[in-house]
Amino acid sequence: GQQLNQSPQSMFIQEGEDVSMNCTSSSIFNTWLWYKQDPGEGPVLLIALYKAGELTSNGRLTAQFGITRKDSFLNISASIPSDVGIYFCAGQAGANSKLTFGKGITLSVRP
Amino acid sequence: KAGVTQTPRYLIKTRGQQVTLSCSPISGHRSVSWYQQTPGQGLQFLFEYFSETQRNKGNFPGRFSGRQFSNSRSEMNVSTLELGDSALYLCASSSQGANYGYTFGSGTRLTVV
Repeated sequence: GQQLNQSPQSMFIQEGEDVSMNCTSSSIFNTWLWYKQDPGEGPVLLIALYKAGELTSNGRLTAQFGITRKDSFLNISASIPSDVGIYFCAGQAGANSKLTFGKGITLSVRP
Repeated sequence: KAGVTQTPRYLIKTRGQQVTLSCSPISGHRSVSWYQQTPGQGLQFLFEYFSETQRNKGNFPGRFSGRQFSNSRSEMNVSTLELGDSALYLCASSSQGANYGYTFGSGTRLTVV
């Protein structure tokens, strides 16, 4: 079945550093989404990508939809302590198909 | 506007019992999806309902079922609970489906003892 691969499982960075996360798949997706989950809460949508090659920013976050439609990346610039959390990528193959999630990357930011 | 509301937040059940979880979507949202989240497996898709019809289904046993009412509220039921069903169950709503980005609730933490 469809799977999204995110690695590593955990990342540790220093406050102020930039960090990049990748998400890959063996299947094509027509929509890529990036979510962040804080402890005890549900995931919150950060960025949505709808077109191959699309580059979208949301504040210090930038995400790109890979041209092969099999990957996406998320970049966080100038990290701050509140960036701590689990970052999930998610993909959707077709308009009414389910949303498939990667297993997430836990980000820790050292002050 | 109010977000996605899931009740209860926490639940402890005994093996063999059954449980019903509730989800109230954002007003106007007709798509409701359910996910099971565990530390080892991440977010696993259970099913999606759109306008009271099940539109997509994940690979979970028949013990997991759901339904959606005419006001778009959804319930999820798990019968004959097993220890492995302990998880955070998340509900997400969307106006049209995932293509428009889901909004998640805070989840129901189910513990089976």
